[in-house]
Amino acid sequence: GNSVTQMEGPVTLSEEAFLTINCTYTATGYPSLFWYVQYPGEGLQLLLKATKADDKGSNKGFEATYRKETTSFHLEKGSVQVSDSAVYFCALRTKGGGGADGLTFGKGTHLIIQP
Amino acid sequence: EAQVTQNPRYLITVTGKKLTVTCSQNMNHEYMSWYRQDPGLGLRQIYYSMNVEVTDKGDVPEGYKVSRKEKRNFPLILESPSPNQTSLYFCASKGTAYEQYFGPGTRLTVT
Repeated sequence: GNSVTQMEGPVTLSEEAFLTINCTYTATGYPSLFWYVQYPGEGLQLLLKATKADDKGSNKGFEATYRKETTSFHLEKGSVQVSDSAVYFCALRTKGGGGADGLTFGKGTHLIIQP
Repeated sequence: EAQVTQNPRYLITVTGKKLTVTCSQNMNHEYMSWYRQDPGLGLRQIYYSMNVEVTDKGDVPEGYKVSRKEKRNFPLILESPSPNQTSLYFCASKGTAYEQYFGPGTRLTVT
């Protein structure tokens, strides 16, 4: 079955630090990969996605590259801000997975950015 | 504004008292889904619906029911809630693109 493993945190960084949140996956077939972000008290929002190997998703200064050879999709940002404090979820979706079309999520990584 | 709405946002109830959490989307999406979020477990899918009158179990369906009588609504029903159903619940919908749109969440406490 499908599974996603990500560092759980909390991850505490100072403002302007470099961020990496690791994500690895196990999936049948060729999944699409996603990073979702959850700000305090809110639902999840799609941050970025990649649908095939070597694709790079990017948004709001965040990037992640779909690495099929290492089954990874690590999230990076060069200079974090206090406003990036949130919980980040790595997720995958496989086509035609029993028609479910649902997402398999990692457990989430709580990121805390200190000024 | 494109959105998924859920009601109520917060609910405290007692064991065995039937409840319904409503979910509505205004994007004409065919696919809708319910997830629960628990600390250390991430989000897990409860039920999903590919279209009107078509629903199926996700990963953790026990103790829940759903219905899809019209495209925009997908209520989650707990016939006899138990304390292990205390959780944060999210409804989501998806069109033909990849992105799933999530509602703001419903925090349920069962005592």
